[in-house]
Amino acid sequence: EVQLVESGGGLVKPGGSLRLSCAASGFTFSNAWMSWVRQAPGKGLEWVGRIKSKSDGGTTDYAAPVKGRFTISRDDSKNTLYLQMNSLKIEDTAVYYCTTGYGGKWGQGTLVTVSS
Amino acid sequence: DVVMTQSPLSLPVTLGQPASISCRSSQSLVYSDGNTYLIWFQQRPGQSPRRLIYKVSNRDSGVPDRFSGSGSGTDFTLKISRVEAEDVGVYYCMQGTHWPLTFGGGTKVEIK
Repeated sequence: EVQLVESGGGLVKPGGSLRLSCAASGFTFSNAWMSWVRQAPGKGLEWVGRIKSKSDGGTTDYAAPVKGRFTISRDDSKNTLYLQMNSLKIEDTAVYYCTTGYGGKWGQGTLVTVSS
Repeated sequence: DVVMTQSPLSLPVTLGQPASISCRSSQSLVYSDGNTYLIWFQQRPGQSPRRLIYKVSNRDSGVPDRFSGSGSGTDFTLKISRVEAEDVGVYYCMQGTHWPLTFGGGTKVEIK
């Protein structure tokens, strides 16, 4: 059974940094494209970015609001996906989900709150 | 960016009755490989989203056959043949053809 478990969320001040992790199991992580999607409180879904498998180049793509501030990476030896978030803004407050591919499976999400 | 427009915003339905949600894209979702990457998600209250349908009309494993997807080009529909209580939640369409991937605003399905 596919499992995705996010961690690392919390309260951070504007301008601060946070690193989220997503531990994956139940599938061949190294072959999978992985994505981060966020949902602001009471709002809809927003794509954050994706990372391809290393065999497909391992490249990343980001949505415009986070480009240059967020970095997605992966450690296939640990079956773990990461989201490094820098220069955080109040509008980055959201539940952050990791997903396989383009939303095939989702984790339970981790809440990031950016507030002074 | 491709804009995904869903309607209606809210959909009150009677148990056992059908329901239909529309999703329109601002550009064709036909990819260069000939596939159309239109996906439907369900988000029940307090839960993570769950994929129901991929590539317009393919149901994910475990999704009841009362859910069906149809459409082409820029016009797509999710239908529930007979709404059950567990279908309450917000439904989102999403396009996976053009970067950045974009979601519709969501349709809230509730029981009358």
